[in-house]
Amino acid sequence: GENVEQHPSTLSVQEGDSAVIKCTYSDSASNYFPWYKQELGKRPQLIIDIRSNVGEKKDQRIAVTLNKTAKHFSLHITETQPEDSAVYFCAASKVTSGTYKYIFGTGTRLKVLA
Amino acid sequence: NAGVTQTPKFRVLKTGQSMTLLCAQDMNHEYMYWYRQDPGMGLRLIHYSVGEGTTAKGEVPDGYNVSRLKKQNFLLGLESAAPSQTSVYFCASRVGIAEAFFGQGTRLTVV
Repeated sequence: GENVEQHPSTLSVQEGDSAVIKCTYSDSASNYFPWYKQELGKRPQLIIDIRSNVGEKKDQRIAVTLNKTAKHFSLHITETQPEDSAVYFCAASKVTSGTYKYIFGTGTRLKVLA
Repeated sequence: NAGVTQTPKFRVLKTGQSMTLLCAQDMNHEYMYWYRQDPGMGLRLIHYSVGEGTTAKGEVPDGYNVSRLKKQNFLLGLESAAPSQTSVYFCASRVGIAEAFFGQGTRLTVV
């Protein structure tokens, strides 16, 4: 079945350093890859997404790269700040028999140390 | 425009009791999802719906039922609650292959 693996499960970085979170998906038909940020006690919210026809996308300090051949995609956060501390989830989505399943990775808890 | 709203926000059930969680969205989205979130296990898909009157099973459907009688509402039912169903439940909706909008979550404890 479909599966999304996410690593690492926890990540601690010093303020100002970069953080990288990686996800691997199993279904080559997946064509949409969003990243969500979830602060403690709050709902997940989209921070960036990428579609299968694009290799890289940037939005200020956040970037996502996609390698379709290897079936993995990564979130890059540069110049990390304490407010970046949260749990980050990747997801993979595709059309299956006309439906739109949405499968998430297990999450990465990022701690930015001041 | 409230987005996605879940009720209730908190609930404590005794083993064997039943309850229904309500998800309402005002964005005219076709697709709606129910997830449960447990520590270290991310967001696992319980059931989902691709339109009014349709439902489908996700990764962990056992012990849950759903209904989508109206496009804006997606109900999640627990017929006989078990302690293993203690979790935080999130509803989400989306249109096509795009961002999913989440509700604020429901924290359910089964004792």
